Parts: sequence; structure tokens; C-alpha cells
Amino acid sequence: EAQVTQNPRYLITVTGKKLTVTCSQNMNHEYMSWYRQDPGLGLRQIYYSMNVEVTDKGDVPEGYKVSRKEKRNFPLILESPSPNQTSLYFCASSLSLGELFFGEGSRLTVL
Amino acid sequence: AQSVAQPEDQVNVAEGNPLTVKCTYSVSGNPYLFWYVQYPNRGLQFLLKYITGDNLVKGSYGFEAEFNKSQTSFHLKKPSALVSDSALYFCAVRPGWDSNYQLIWGAGTKLIIKP
Repeated sequence: EAQVTQNPRYLITVTGKKLTVTCSQNMNHEYMSWYRQDPGLGLRQIYYSMNVEVTDKGDVPEGYKVSRKEKRNFPLILESPSPNQTSLYFCASSLSLGELFFGEGSRLTVL
Repeated sequence: AQSVAQPEDQVNVAEGNPLTVKCTYSVSGNPYLFWYVQYPNRGLQFLLKYITGDNLVKGSYGFEAEFNKSQTSFHLKKPSALVSDSALYFCAVRPGWDSNYQLIWGAGTKLIIKP
């Protein structure tokens, strides 16, 4: 089954404790992206990657890192999480610049 | 600045009635337009897209959308609403088919279908 898999789905952590949200797709998609969703703000892009070893900042990259060492994986790294990074995070992928396939989301709470 | 507007935070429709979720945009060039749906506690799912050709595009779950270039709109429609259509709907626009163009998202419209 074609899918984008994110882990963990839910996480409660404390300020400053490094965490990684993994994202993996099994569709051989070149393009991958991370979004955060906050009430009233819709979707905001954090980082995106056009292909392996190619990443670019989105609209809200501060406090986040990503890597794209292989086509299927695109982890999101929070080196020192802060409460303002409490949000619902989505990973997405697409074959070209067409429709996106989204993961089920990762709800992060930073205390 | 380029933008996408979904002017209604919430739309309420009775089951069986037609529904419209509005989207207007302000981008340069020839845009590529998308609608996505998000059911509670789920990721977004692609509904339909307009790239070129017929202004009326059909998508999943009986939805359709009409591209209106003069009004810069791409409203989502369905002839007869179902309670199961209740969800959050997002309009997204890509300003062009260039790899540097990322999607611009509307803020979302909550659709509530009442039995």
C-alpha cells in the first residue's frame, strides 16, 4: 500500500530535549516536505526537499533541521524544542510537483 | 504578495443540499490549483486539481471544482452533501510549474453537514 509513515504519532516532551520525527514514503517520490498545522494558521511549510541531498527552507524553518540522505526518508529534527513548537506536524511527498500524499500527522507537545 | 483566501471559516449545509466551499487566489502566472480534505485526526487527502483544460474538474467523493480565471476563483462544489463530507477543506495554489514554486495554502474551511 502506498503511504507516508510518520513516527511518533504523539509525543510529549520537555523544553530543550532533542527529538526527531521520522518520515518515510514507499512511493519512490522525489519531493518531500514538512508542514506544521496550528489553529487559525492553516498549514505552514517548514522545510522541503526536491531530491536526495537537496533541502530548502520553507516559511517557518527556525528551530528545525532536516536531512535527506536517501530518497524514502526525510526526518524532522528539533535540536532544542520550545513550547512554541507545540503543534501538529505533517510530512508529505509527491512524484513531481503534483498532488501531495500526506502522513497521518505527529502531534507534539513541548512542556 | 501572493495569497490564497478561503473567506469562510465554516460552512453549514443540510444533508442533501448542494454545497460550495469558496477559494480565491492572487498569484502571478498560470496557477495550478488543488483541493485537499482533512478528516478528524487524519492527514490531508488530495481531492482534485486543475492544471489546464476544462474549467470544471471532477475529483474524489463526488466533488468538483470550477476554475474561473477572470474571478481568480476555484470553488469546491458538490450537488448533494453527505454527513460524511463533514471535514476541514484546504485550497492550495502553485504559482507555476517551476520547481521553485511551492504551494500557497488557504487557511481552511470547516464544512459541517447536518442530518
